[in-house]
Amino acid sequence: DTAVSQTPKYLVTQMGNDKSIKCEQNLGHDTMYWYKQDSKKFLKIMFSYNNKELIINETVPNRFSPKSPDKAHLNLHINSLELGDSAVYFCASSLSVGVSRGDTQYFGPGTRLTVL
Amino acid sequence: AQSVTQLDSHVSVSEGTPVLLRCNYSSSYSPSLFWYVQHPNKGLQLLLKYTSAATLVKGINGFEAEFKKSETSFHLTKPSAHMSDAAEYFCVVSDGWGSQGNLIFGKGTKLSVKP
Repeated sequence: DTAVSQTPKYLVTQMGNDKSIKCEQNLGHDTMYWYKQDSKKFLKIMFSYNNKELIINETVPNRFSPKSPDKAHLNLHINSLELGDSAVYFCASSLSVGVSRGDTQYFGPGTRLTVL
Repeated sequence: AQSVTQLDSHVSVSEGTPVLLRCNYSSSYSPSLFWYVQHPNKGLQLLLKYTSAATLVKGINGFEAEFKKSETSFHLTKPSAHMSDAAEYFCVVSDGWGSQGNLIFGKGTKLSVKP
């Protein structure tokens, strides 16, 4: 059984389009995250949600809007896509709020977004 | 602010020889430290973590890491490399407490294993 799943795995689209990436976890975790991995493999957190409420919102353009319909799902919607949005986006989840005291984050397989 | 530095962007070893991937951290708190592995075109998998218990941490696939506070290091080692170990490895430090907790990733070390 897949613990953290993302769809789609690959997404190729034109500049200016709006797209969404979906994430689901079946681990019963309370907290979910979105990360962006750039072309140099650097990973940076974008958002985190705890029980459907936003708790971390790093400096991300407001074209990016996370939505959490329930604590098992955290979707990422991106408006007016730009070339610089091309990256791999990872969803993750952890049992409790934040990562204090070493909570493990479990990562999804990633979504490779290519903006043409 | 917390940060993590992976000292080598690329490490190449021969199969059967030891692996050493170096990581130094900077932290205002007692940190939690992690090593994650990413195989090509795959997601990230936790190898091991340190959370202020034993300073020598054993992980999956024969990897281990030692937390050395005096050196602010958390180097990853394995006695004998296997071809399947070829991947990108990330050293990670936790940032803060509770609801402000966050993972800070190093820039990664690519491990190549030669036959």
